[in-house]
Amino acid sequence: DVKVTQSSRYLVKRTGEKVFLECVQDMDHENMFWYRQDPGLGLRLIYFSYDVKMKEKGDIPEGYSVSREKKERFSLILESASTNQTSMYLCASSLGARAGELFFGEGSRLTVL
Amino acid sequence: SQQGEEDPQALSIQEGENATMNCSYKTSINNLQWYRQNSGRGLVHLILIRSNEREKHSGRLRVTLDTSKKSSSLLITASRAADTASYFCSTPGGSEKLVFGKGMKLTVNP
Repeated sequence: DVKVTQSSRYLVKRTGEKVFLECVQDMDHENMFWYRQDPGLGLRLIYFSYDVKMKEKGDIPEGYSVSREKKERFSLILESASTNQTSMYLCASSLGARAGELFFGEGSRLTVL
Repeated sequence: SQQGEEDPQALSIQEGENATMNCSYKTSINNLQWYRQNSGRGLVHLILIRSNEREKHSGRLRVTLDTSKKSSSLLITASRAADTASYFCSTPGGSEKLVFGKGMKLTVNP
């Protein structure tokens, strides 16, 4: 079974802190994604990566950056956390097939105080 | 950029009843997918239907796709309390991306 593991299920950070959200997948998938999920807004794509060291902006990249140094790991970075980044963050991966099935992690609920 | 929109936004039924959810989308697609999300968890893929398919079954799930109307429906038959979850449709959003609707909350009462 494909497993996508997000390092932290719950985090509480302070405004201005640098935050790292880590995601690891174990099925050699080419594509990895970071979404955020907010009530009433659904899932919105922040960034995605289709290969090591490759990244593309999604719909809401402002305030975020990403890193993909190894194929299995995709990190989301909040350089200076703000209260409006309080959200549920979902990592997903997929094979190289065009817009195929996504495998999601359990999510990381981030609260910024 | 929202593509699929689920309807209704919330549905409450009794165990044993069928649940039908609809999804409408705007642009041409080559496939449409449905996902389930239990409260506070990640999404789980349910079924993918391709644009050249009209109907697909998986266990108690039946999905239809009408490309002329740009709509899809997900039917869950003989619902169970464990089916209580949010359900999302998703469509390709360019390159490898998927775009999700806002989701539909299904409550199955025992």
